[in-house]
This record gives sequence, C-alpha cells and structure tokens, in this order.
Amino acid sequence: GAGVSQTPSNKVTEKGKYVELRCDPISGHTALYWYRQSLGQGPEFLIYFQGTGAADDSGLPNDRFFAVRPEGSVSTLKIQRTERGDSAVYLCASRRDRGTSEQFFGPGTRLTVL
Amino acid sequence: GQQVMQIPQYQHVQEGEDFTTYCNSSTTLSNIQWYKQRPGGHPVFLIQLVKSGEVKKQKRLTFQFGEAKKNSSLHITATQTTDVGTYFCAGMDSSYKLIFGSGTRLLVRP
Repeated sequence: GAGVSQTPSNKVTEKGKYVELRCDPISGHTALYWYRQSLGQGPEFLIYFQGTGAADDSGLPNDRFFAVRPEGSVSTLKIQRTERGDSAVYLCASRRDRGTSEQFFGPGTRLTVL
Repeated sequence: GQQVMQIPQYQHVQEGEDFTTYCNSSTTLSNIQWYKQRPGGHPVFLIQLVKSGEVKKQKRLTFQFGEAKKNSSLHITATQTTDVGTYFCAGMDSSYKLIFGSGTRLLVRP
C-alpha cells in the first residue's frame, strides 16, 4: 500500500510570497501531523489533526501559518508572506487512530525562501 | 513548555563498537518513541516505550525507559555500517503530540 505522500518535493519561492504544501496521508489514518525540520535539528511540531478538526495547533509559529484538512484526509499547510526563516523541510505524518502511536512520515517538502 | 534533550549530538564509532544515545525530558511523559532518519530520508518509527522501567530489544538495539518516565536510552551493540543515521527520541504527552529531541547522529567507520 502507498505511504504518506507530499507535494511538491521541493519549493523555491521569493520572500513575501504565498505557498501551499500538500500531504496525502495513508488511507484510513485518522490523525495527521505537520512538522518542520531545520538542518541538524529534530522535527518541530506544528499542528495535529484528528479527523477534520485541528486538535492541537500550538506549534504554529505565528498567524502566517495555517493548515486545513476539510474532508479528514488530505491536508494543506498554507504559509502567507513567506520569510527566509521559513526555509526548512516540512514533514507530514499520519497515525491510524487513537489506539496506536506509530507515526508514518512522508518524504517531506523542502521549502526555500529566497 | 515541554523540552526533550538528547546527547550526544554526534557519535563516530568504529564498526563493531557499541553506541548509546540518551534522552531527557523536562516533564513526565505518557510514552516515548524512537525514530531513525537516514541521511536524506525521513524519520522511521523504531519502537514505543510506555511503562516505567520498561526495556525492549530489537536484535542489536536495546531501548530503556526510566523509572520516572522522564528519560530514555537507546543502545546498539556491535554497530554496523547500516546503523548510520540520526536517532531521535520523541516524547508524547497526553494530547498525542510528539516533542522530538535534537537527535544523535551516528557515523560508523568500516
């Protein structure tokens, strides 16, 4: 079966632009997470969805960051007015349900803000 | 907020030597998970520890969870070149959110 997929794999944008990053979780997984990973660091939690709702968005750094999961499957992370400091690998992970803990990570989207 | 610290940052060993990485949380954890990330890859789940004092083994890997559920360790016996990568611990709180440590990068000389 297919794993978690993320598109695009690479995104280069200019400072001030808007970007959208997409995550397709494993089919049937109810929980979806977004993380940001900078070079040499561990993944940094951004937001967690259980179904369609954001169960915990405490990791979003500011109001330029927003994420949606309207049908409880695909999720989109949206970043407005990008800044050079937003450059990182954005990782998505999914988890089957509340009874399991293992998170399956996608390959990530490498965002570069020039 | 909750913090998870991991040491050492790097470890360079000769193939066949042992390796250990240590993880400490500022708060008590519901459980702790370990992930491995190969160079250029994404984190891959290794194991989860839930019980105080729990010890689990996977072939040459031994995972421990401290009695106070605030620290953990991963020990690899007789490292191989296939063990190369960065090992992350990640603490889970009651809200299912994972807080990752900064990782230990393992390099193995053949």
